Amino acid sequence: SQQGEEDPQALSIQEGENATMNCSYKTSINNLQWYRQNSGRGLVHLILIRSNEREKHSGRLRVTLDTSKKSSSLLITASRAADTASYFCATDAMGYSTLTFGKGTMLLVSP
Amino acid sequence: NAGVTQTPKFQVLKTGQSMTLQCAQDMNHNSMYWYRQDPGMGLRLIYYSASEGTTDKGEVPNGYNVSRLNKREFSLRLESAAPSQTSVYFCASRLYGTDTEAFFGQGTRLTVV
Repeated sequence: SQQGEEDPQALSIQEGENATMNCSYKTSINNLQWYRQNSGRGLVHLILIRSNEREKHSGRLRVTLDTSKKSSSLLITASRAADTASYFCATDAMGYSTLTFGKGTMLLVSP
Repeated sequence: NAGVTQTPKFQVLKTGQSMTLQCAQDMNHNSMYWYRQDPGMGLRLIYYSASEGTTDKGEVPNGYNVSRLNKREFSLRLESAAPSQTSVYFCASRLYGTDTEAFFGQGTRLTVV
């Protein structure tokens, strides 16, 4: 399986704290993407980082990519209760036309 | 703009019954995907269609068939449902090329008893 792995599987923090999730993958990639899933809903795209980029920001989100270590991290700053969701990384591998998802990190942000 | 629409939202089947999950997108995307999501397993690719007229197996294709009816529609068929196919099924689409995001439907929750 090409599936990536997120770490941790679950994360519980207080509002205002930062949340960091990590993703490791196995293949060479064109890009890596992060998605969010609220309970029982479809996935929503958050941010995409290309293989030649090392860091990208979008609002309170910061993504890093280290292709030498085949890993990425997603940082959510100043978390809010509304950030409670599952977060998935997905790799767009070279030579494939598919997106391969990891198992996800469940984030719980308590008021 | 509806995005990706899946039907039905919920379904209960008896073992051995057949059914087709429907998916349609209105974004003129060329690639479409079917995933299943099980607790602790993340999303696993069942089948995909990189472009109209082509379909390919993903990671877990056994027990399923697909049809890319036209550019908009991509259906998933269970010929003889089994309890192991109890899952949440998601359809997704994207404009495949360079560095594109996927758009997901709201999912179909299927229970096979």
